[in-house]
Amino acid sequence: QSALTQPASVSGSPGQSITISCTGTSSDVGGYNYVSWYQQHPGKAPKLMIYEVSDRPSGVSNRFSGSKSGNTASLTISGLQPEDEASYFCSSYTSSSTLVFGGGTKLTVL
Amino acid sequence: QVQLQESGPGLVRPSETLSLTCTVSGGSISSSYWSWIRQPPVNGLDWIGFIYYSGSTNYNPSLKSRVTISVDTSKNQFSLKLTSVTAADAAVYYCARVAIKFGGLTYGMDVWGQGTTVTVSS
Repeated sequence: QSALTQPASVSGSPGQSITISCTGTSSDVGGYNYVSWYQQHPGKAPKLMIYEVSDRPSGVSNRFSGSKSGNTASLTISGLQPEDEASYFCSSYTSSSTLVFGGGTKLTVL
Repeated sequence: QVQLQESGPGLVRPSETLSLTCTVSGGSISSSYWSWIRQPPVNGLDWIGFIYYSGSTNYNPSLKSRVTISVDTSKNQFSLKLTSVTAADAAVYYCARVAIKFGGLTYGMDVWGQGTTVTVSS
């Protein structure tokens, strides 16, 4: 299985909105509503931010939202804050009953 | 709340077997699926596999020939064995819980251990 495709980096200023894409195939992202997004700060474990494309776990800010169109899922962060600076990873369930991650996107808050 | 803790040797010799255990506290291992994920120093996250308390497993096809994930319900633990390790297996290894919503798997992992670093060297 091939890793999902994410941009290596994105940046934005405080208060702005950014979107991170996650592109797969019809055998993963496009075929199932089981896309998740994780935030990871350096030296820390990943934190689940979005599951099932657009649902937020309890305690996650509503500034984080997810969507999907075809084989591409997206994570949008609105009202960027300095603490949002981190790496973000997507994952998807696949037709082989496995999981696959994206390569990760480093978000810089300017 | 549920907490996970990885344990095991931090140094493994090339060609030997990596063995790690994840202890589940604050909840029952029978409540969900459980997963191992690793993160090499430079690259992103790499999913290794799932296990259910019944022992049912799914593995990453690229690792399937070398991986075994098992569960010990009496100890509320699940374990990872990776055989014939090479330098490419050096990584931070995480255990995680697969989140459940309305009784169904979401395939998102909502509880993670802190991670344990495994170095492969002679």
